[in-house]
Amino acid sequence: GAGVSQSPSNKVTEKGKDVELRCDPISGHTALYWYRQSLGQGLEFLIYFQGNSAPDKSGLPSDRFSAERTGGSVSTLTIQRTQQEDSAVYLCASSPSPAGGYGYTFGSGTRLTVV
Amino acid sequence: KNEVEQSPQNLTAQEGEFITINCSYSVGISALHWLQQHPGGGIVSLFMLSSGKKKHGRLIATINIQEKHSSLHITASHPRDSAVYICAVRFLLSGGGADGLTFGKGTHLIIQP
Repeated sequence: GAGVSQSPSNKVTEKGKDVELRCDPISGHTALYWYRQSLGQGLEFLIYFQGNSAPDKSGLPSDRFSAERTGGSVSTLTIQRTQQEDSAVYLCASSPSPAGGYGYTFGSGTRLTVV
Repeated sequence: KNEVEQSPQNLTAQEGEFITINCSYSVGISALHWLQQHPGGGIVSLFMLSSGKKKHGRLIATINIQEKHSSLHITASHPRDSAVYICAVRFLLSGGGADGLTFGKGTHLIIQP
């Protein structure tokens, strides 16, 4: 596609439920990143994919968070047993190269609200 | 610790003023990005720098690698420039650390007509 597409754009869920957030990167971009922006906070790195593998999961805040990428394209970020502190905007970005040497393109984000 | 500091946190200026936003970081980097985020909107990449200076329209970005410092300038500022400007760096990898960006907290810019 022309840009990085994320869905849903907004998600309200009850505490304790599982949620799945989807990112569809720009076609051909091998590197894919997930970030989180909590209210009043800066952006926080979560996980990085190169192709289908995730060489860096260091940013995932707990084992309730997991992510996968299939076919070197679409990625899904799953949050299990959601907590109120998980409320944030979850942003996906992709890049043609793993070092971001050609810059990053960000999606519009998924605003997650846990009630 | 790899840190990115931005200043000022908030800036209100009159239309037409010259704007400068600063970013400093703690250790060596491979690239620095300036990003723009409008209220309720997505993030747009403005510049990616590894050295020197870049210009796009009324926006100018500079970086001093030795001093670990970058500035974003806006000339002839306009109300539509009102947004949050975020500095983000990719630190040089060390022992397989994070490959993602580390972000500053952002500068909230308001340009009044």
